[in-house]
Amino acid sequence: NAGVTQTPKFQVLKTGQSMTLQCAQDMNHEYMSWYRQDPGMGLRLIHYSVGAGITDQGEVPNGYNVSRSTTEDFPLRLLSAAPSQTSVYFCASMIAGMGEQYFGPGTRLTVT
Amino acid sequence: AQSVTQLGSHVSVSEGALVLLRCNYSSSVPPYLFWYVQYPNQGLQLLLKYTTGATLVKGINGFEAEFKKSETSFHLTKPSAHMSDAAEYFCAVRGYSSASKIIFGSGTRLSIRP
Repeated sequence: NAGVTQTPKFQVLKTGQSMTLQCAQDMNHEYMSWYRQDPGMGLRLIHYSVGAGITDQGEVPNGYNVSRSTTEDFPLRLLSAAPSQTSVYFCASMIAGMGEQYFGPGTRLTVT
Repeated sequence: AQSVTQLGSHVSVSEGALVLLRCNYSSSVPPYLFWYVQYPNQGLQLLLKYTTGATLVKGINGFEAEFKKSETSFHLTKPSAHMSDAAEYFCAVRGYSSASKIIFGSGTRLSIRP
């Protein structure tokens, strides 16, 4: 199993550009989530999904969209990038219920 | 709403000394609790978790944590620190529902002095 994969690893955007961060898992996990990690603020939940076709907002959803058309994929879309979205983004998945989350390697995004 | 507080953004201990990283949570019902570790430029990996049952939970790399409902705490300990323990540690909480969010604390960076 590849586990949780994220692409790209690094990305530089200009303010106002849009892009999609990709996340895929091959473990048939129902639950997937997106976090952003900023110094001194830990991981903050952006959006999460408990299964295909079901998504919900986390703590910091503004400026981000998600969809979940398949169990495997959970892309995160930045609609109009802002410097405040400069961060490291992590995708995670787990079996719905009380299981542990498996994290991807992260995407480092810089918005200039 | 659930929340997690980690006391101390940076903890420094000598090699061989006790490691104590503090985590307190707020929740209306006893939640599921987790500790994750993040090594530089990597994703997070699970150290240990509390779901139900025994309140003292043992994890990987010699770490353990004790769930204390009366204190709403889940502190992480290791009797003897090793240089390889230097990393950032995150406490996390979620509710019982399968649709519950998982909320992380702000993290504690652990440094080990030779």
